[in-house]
Amino acid sequence: QKEVEQNSGPLSVPEGAIASLNCTYSDRGSQSFFWYRQYSGKSPELIMFIYSNGDKEDGRFTAQLNKASQYVSLLIRDSQPSDSATYLCAVNGDTGRRALTFGSGTRLQVQP
Amino acid sequence: GAVVSQHPSWVICKSGTSVKIECRSLDFQATTMFWYRQFPKQSLMLMATSNEGSKATYEQGVEKDKFLINHASLTLSTLTVTSAHPEDSSFYICSASPGRGLYEQYFGPGTRLTVT
Repeated sequence: QKEVEQNSGPLSVPEGAIASLNCTYSDRGSQSFFWYRQYSGKSPELIMFIYSNGDKEDGRFTAQLNKASQYVSLLIRDSQPSDSATYLCAVNGDTGRRALTFGSGTRLQVQP
Repeated sequence: GAVVSQHPSWVICKSGTSVKIECRSLDFQATTMFWYRQFPKQSLMLMATSNEGSKATYEQGVEKDKFLINHASLTLSTLTVTSAHPEDSSFYICSASPGRGLYEQYFGPGTRLTVT
């Protein structure tokens, strides 16, 4: 069983809609959670992080964390074609190693 | 803030030669740096974790004698691909972590290696 799971997509939404990206993780000891955006041919870019249950908002992005259910999500409001990318969920579970466990990513397509 | 640079951005080399890739954290000290490889349309694959002043920890299946990692300072790590072969052609990406707080990682822009 993969430690961080994401639907590979593609998730297709019309411009202006809300895109909802989901991620589940298996390590209950995980403490911090990250969303990265990766455009084709580029390296990942950190969008948001969250470590407390609930919602965290930053501009058009909202990260949601539910530790009891072991899922984290990313909402993108007013989606734009420029948001079309692969979104990677990453989890920090083993603080001793400081390594993040990445999901395989969800490809988002925003249709103009 | 949290800028990571990588050099070179792309390199073409002949089979059997070695290539060195540099990763620098420009505006913070990186206690830990990571090296990833990514093949087209595939996920990031962690190759190794390096802490300043100590030996790198390699992931299972990664040849440490082929992929030499040096983390000489808190702002610089290097990856040397020795005796490169065409199957080593890939996108190599480093990331750096301040090593405190949430352990977030900031990625460099990547190096595209082509071995002919």
